[in-house]
This record gives sequence, C-alpha cells and structure tokens, in this order.
Amino acid sequence: NAGVTQTPKFRVLKTGQSMTLLCAQDMNHEYMYWYRQDPGMGLRLIHYSVGEGTTAKGEVPDGYNVSRLKKQNFLLGLESAAPSQTSVYFCASMGENSNTGELFFGEGSRLTVL
Amino acid sequence: GQSLEQPSEVTAVEGAIVQINCTYQTSGFYGLSWYQQHDGGAPTFLSYNALDGLEETGRFSSFLSRSDSYGYLLLQELQMKDSASYFCAVPLTDSWGKLQFGAGTQVVVTP
Repeated sequence: NAGVTQTPKFRVLKTGQSMTLLCAQDMNHEYMYWYRQDPGMGLRLIHYSVGEGTTAKGEVPDGYNVSRLKKQNFLLGLESAAPSQTSVYFCASMGENSNTGELFFGEGSRLTVL
Repeated sequence: GQSLEQPSEVTAVEGAIVQINCTYQTSGFYGLSWYQQHDGGAPTFLSYNALDGLEETGRFSSFLSRSDSYGYLLLQELQMKDSASYFCAVPLTDSWGKLQFGAGTQVVVTP
C-alpha cells in the first residue's frame, strides 16, 4: 500500500518554464490537497479538491493551476515558474468519512526556480 | 483572519517532558490538530481535539481549551527519535482538510 505518491521528488526550473507535479493516492480518498512549505513557515494551502472533476482555491493559489480528472490523481501545474515558487510541495488526501480530519501526506516535491 | 502562534524551538534531554503551546485566533472553530514532521520528511498526523480536555495517545497527549483559544501537545519520556518539528493546525472553514498551520516548533532532544 503506497499511500500518497508524488512525482517528481526534485526539480530545477528556469524562470518562465512550466511543469506539472503529479500526486497519486491509492486509498480511495475523496479529498485531495496541495500545500507548499517554505523555511520557517508552516504549510500553506494552494488548491484542493473535494471530488473527481472539482477543484477550488486555497490560501495561496496565484500562479498555480490544478486538475482532478481521476479520483486517485491530483495534478499541480505551474504555467510560468517564478523564483518565489521555490518551495517544497506536499500533496495530501483525506477520506470523506474521517472522524479526525487526518491528512495523509506524500513525501514532498522539492522545486527550485532559478 | 486566522492565526496560530507556537514557540519556534524547544530543547530538552532524553526522558524529559516537553509541552508545546499553541494559541489561535479563528473566525470559527472546528478543532485543533497536531502534526509531526522529521527533517526532509512528510508531516504525519498525531492528534485532533474538537472538545475541551486531554486526549492521550501513548507518550503523546494533546489538550484543548476553547474558551482560552489555546491548546498544547505534551511529549513525555522523550526519545531521540522525537526530535522533529511539530505543527498545530486549525481548519480554515468547516472542511477539516483545509488546514491553516502554525509556523512549527522544532523540538531538539539531547542525550
């Protein structure tokens, strides 16, 4: 049981390049989230999805787009990367019947924008 | 807006007890969660309090006082493997997964 898997784990981009981060979960979870984590800060919510085909904005959505075409996958796209998007990105999922709101996180994707 | 405050770092010796406080300001309150994150790793869920009082899970306990907008995580019988960052978090709305995290408390356990 892999849980939540993120690819790639590391990536270096030049300013203006585009890329997509892939998140896959095998727990049949309805809800999925993308967070970013910067040094000395907690995680901040970028976008989230409450089900296949639905997405919504979180705290810091600017410069990112997402898609949830399949229940198990949640993609995060950067259309034109900027140095301010250098960060560690975490995907998370949660079951709709959770009693505790427990989020299951992937191992993170470290992105550097030069 | 919402905000959470927690200490940036706590140092303690093996076998000791550490308490990490978290105060929050929210427009509505749906619960307080705690997550642990080792360096380079993923955050992992520790506990969740929706009601006042103490929740105990092994060596870790979490406490909530809604009237004081305050909670804490208590780590007992500290072990070296407990060296990590600990985050308190509250839901942004009534959707649990949309969390706002504190900046984190780094716990350093020394021999």
